[in-house]
Amino acid sequence: KQEVTQIPAALSVPEGENLVLNCSFTDSAIYNLQWFRQDPGKGLTSLLLIQSSQREQTSGRLNASLDKSSGRSTLYIAASQPGDSATYLCAVIGGSNYQLIWGAGTKLIIKP
Amino acid sequence: KAGVTQTPRYLIKTRGQQVTLSCSPISGHRSVSWYQQTPGQGLQFLFEYFSETQRNKGNFPGRFSGRQFSNSRSEMNVSTLELGDSALYLCASSHGGSSYEQYFGPGTRLTVT
Repeated sequence: KQEVTQIPAALSVPEGENLVLNCSFTDSAIYNLQWFRQDPGKGLTSLLLIQSSQREQTSGRLNASLDKSSGRSTLYIAASQPGDSATYLCAVIGGSNYQLIWGAGTKLIIKP
Repeated sequence: KAGVTQTPRYLIKTRGQQVTLSCSPISGHRSVSWYQQTPGQGLQFLFEYFSETQRNKGNFPGRFSGRQFSNSRSEMNVSTLELGDSALYLCASSHGGSSYEQYFGPGTRLTVT
């Protein structure tokens, strides 16, 4: 059974710092991995999707990497801003059914 | 291109009642998935519909049901509401192909009293 873990559960850093969020999964047989952000009480915004054949994806200040063999993905945020404060979730799709398996999220606070 | 829309955005119901939530996917998307989000359990998969057929189902009781119409719009129904059904219900749409990137709506906040 696929399990997804995100460490740390919470992170608080000063504005301007570069930071890394981690996501690990137990079964490497995945179709893709997707990173989302969720603002309090709101829905989910898709940030990056990495296909199983890819190693990384970039969008602006965000870079996500995928290492299937070790069951790990990282989300790198460059030059963090207070507007980046949110909960970041990773999810994988794999196996015979097309459902997202979720991590519990990392709550990120960027201090001005 | 319009995003995923969900109605209503907020709902208050009493235990024992039933509720129907609606989701309109992004134009051209044929897959709609439903998720329940609670502080204690996090995000949990309810079910997925693709071309009007339920393709996958999570581990929720039969009180939770859904359907999808020919225009890909989907509804989720919860009967005999319990206090524990209070949650944010999220709908996601996708082309349904192997890349399966999902796009989420703003959610419906259901409170059961």
